[in-house]
Amino acid sequence: AQSVTQLDSHVSVSEGTPVLLRCNYSSSYSPSLFWYVQHPNKGLQLLLKYTSAATLVKGINGFEAEFKKSETSFHLTKPSAHMSDAAEYFCVVSGSGRGTYKYIFGTGTRLKVLA
Amino acid sequence: DTGVSQDPRHKITKRGQNVTFRCDPISEHNRLYWYRQTLGQGPEFLTYFQNEAQLEKSRLLSDRFSAERPKGSFSTLEIQRTEQGDSAMYLCASSSQTVNTEAFFGQGTRLTVV
Repeated sequence: AQSVTQLDSHVSVSEGTPVLLRCNYSSSYSPSLFWYVQHPNKGLQLLLKYTSAATLVKGINGFEAEFKKSETSFHLTKPSAHMSDAAEYFCVVSGSGRGTYKYIFGTGTRLKVLA
Repeated sequence: DTGVSQDPRHKITKRGQNVTFRCDPISEHNRLYWYRQTLGQGPEFLTYFQNEAQLEKSRLLSDRFSAERPKGSFSTLEIQRTEQGDSAMYLCASSSQTVNTEAFFGQGTRLTVV
């Protein structure tokens, strides 16, 4: 079975400082991995996705994530936080056809950006 | 705007009543998903369709829940005899059949059972 674990339920950073949101995955085979963001009262928006083409993935709004198979991790980073980054972030794994096409969500990390 | 539409956006119902939600996916997408999200939690998978076939259902989906996608386009999710524990945001998503593709989510239907 596939799963993702988001290691921090809440992260607080000061504006202009780096962001690190941690995600570990479990999968019997090479997964597809995604990060989604959810702003208050807004829908889920895709930030970036890993699909085995490159281990360092760049997404929107300056976010990037690195796939590390040896550590089964897919951490999300941003060099400099902006107030508008405050939101809930979800790490997601998909089997992408290997028995299932469903997307499995982590429990989320709420990012707070302090002025 | 992701292109996935859900209706209604909000629904307040009395316990014991039946409710039905509708989802219109992105037109060229043949996969459609339903999720439930409660406050402070990540979306939980309920079920998904490929065209009109319902291929997988979560064990979370009790007998009171039923989903349909009769013509492979829009889908409905019905909850019978609603309970207070059914109060949640119900999310619909769609995706294409391309390998490793992402899902596109609608804004959701917020259900409150009183």
